[in-house]
Amino acid sequence: GQNIDQPTEMTATEGAIVQINCTYQTSGFNGLFWYQQHAGEAPTFLSYNVLDGLEEKGRFSSFLSRSKGYSYLLLKELQMKDSASYLCAVRDRNYQLIWGAGTKLIIKP
Amino acid sequence: NAGVTQTPKFRILKIGQSMTLQCTQDMNHNYMYWYRQDPGMGLKLIYYSVGAGITDKGEVPNGYNVSRSTTEDFPLRLELAAPSQTSVYFCASSYEGEVQPQHFGDGTRLSIL
Repeated sequence: GQNIDQPTEMTATEGAIVQINCTYQTSGFNGLFWYQQHAGEAPTFLSYNVLDGLEEKGRFSSFLSRSKGYSYLLLKELQMKDSASYLCAVRDRNYQLIWGAGTKLIIKP
Repeated sequence: NAGVTQTPKFRILKIGQSMTLQCTQDMNHNYMYWYRQDPGMGLKLIYYSVGAGITDKGEVPNGYNVSRSTTEDFPLRLELAAPSQTSVYFCASSYEGEVQPQHFGDGTRLSIL
């Protein structure tokens, strides 16, 4: 079967750095996406990785290791508005997205 | 620019009733998707479409039907609603292409009682 694993919940302090991990076992790999979802709202696109390495976008970076089936999302200079769920999704060999359950990130002052 | 619009935002149905969840997008995306999101679970794909007149089943299609008569619209039909269909339903769209992210509507919160 196909599986995406993420921690259920994480807590961090405003201004700090947090790393959210995602491991996957899927039938094929055609890219990995990270989305942000605030409570009661729609997911919004954050980043995309298809090759190994780090992709940086302002305060957010995403890393991929295809050989390890592993990715992380790194959030720097945390702000209260970053409190949200972060969803990892992998595009499989049929180009369908397989979604993790999401990591709820709680930011404390 | 409205993006992906879903109606209604909330609905309560009785067991056995039917309804259609509406989804329309104004970005001229050829790909459209319907997902359901249950608490503590990842998004599950119900149906998807790669263009007008073409639809295909996703991971959890039972109890649902779709149609795609135009590029813009992709309604989801629930026949004989069951409590197991209580969920939040998201419609999404994207361009064709590997790097293209999916854009989501605001969701429909559906309760079957």
